Amino acid sequence: GAGVSQSPSNKVTEKGKDVELRCDPISGHTALYWYRQSLGQGLEFLIYFQGNSAPDKSGLPSDRFSAERTGGSVSTLTIQRTQQEDSAVYLCASSPAVEASGRAREQFFGPGTRLTVL
Amino acid sequence: AQSVSQHNHHVILSEAASLELGCNYSYGGTVNLFWYVQYPGQHLQLLLKYFSGDPLVKGIKGFEAEFIKSKFSFNLRKPSVQWSDTAEYFCAVNARSSNTGKLIFGQGTTLQVKP
Repeated sequence: GAGVSQSPSNKVTEKGKDVELRCDPISGHTALYWYRQSLGQGLEFLIYFQGNSAPDKSGLPSDRFSAERTGGSVSTLTIQRTQQEDSAVYLCASSPAVEASGRAREQFFGPGTRLTVL
Repeated sequence: AQSVSQHNHHVILSEAASLELGCNYSYGGTVNLFWYVQYPGQHLQLLLKYFSGDPLVKGIKGFEAEFIKSKFSFNLRKPSVQWSDTAEYFCAVNARSSNTGKLIFGQGTTLQVKP
């Protein structure tokens, strides 16, 4: 089956513009995650969706960042009024639901969207 | 807050050398531990994971890691590296009590293996 896909693969935008990044998770995966990979910063958690539960937005760096997940499948990460410090690779991952025991499941990552803000 | 520290940022080895990459985390509760790898031009992929039981876990491509609870460590090892192991390696922790799969990653270690 298909893996996690993300689009676009590259996005160059001007400071102040809004951008939308898309993630198509693996079919049947109820959990979806967004991470950000900045140079020298490693991977930083942004937001987590699980089924119909309220998302965990604790990693979003500012109110310019938002995300939604429609129909429990596709997710869109929106960055408003982009700044140069938003330049990074944005990674999406999906997994089956966390087990009742708390045991996390393997996350499958997409190829990422490289965002460059000029 | 949880954090993960990878002490080696850039490691250069010759083929057949042994590898150990350090990973320490800060969290007092029960954790799930992971090592992910990103080969050049490829997606992040799971190398190995620890949930419970035997603290020595084996992953793909001959990698293994040992969970030492008293040291809050989960170091990655391989007895003999190959040129194809050149990649970036990330240690990650998930707090079981969070009931989410949210991963906290270390900053990564770039491994360069010289042929």
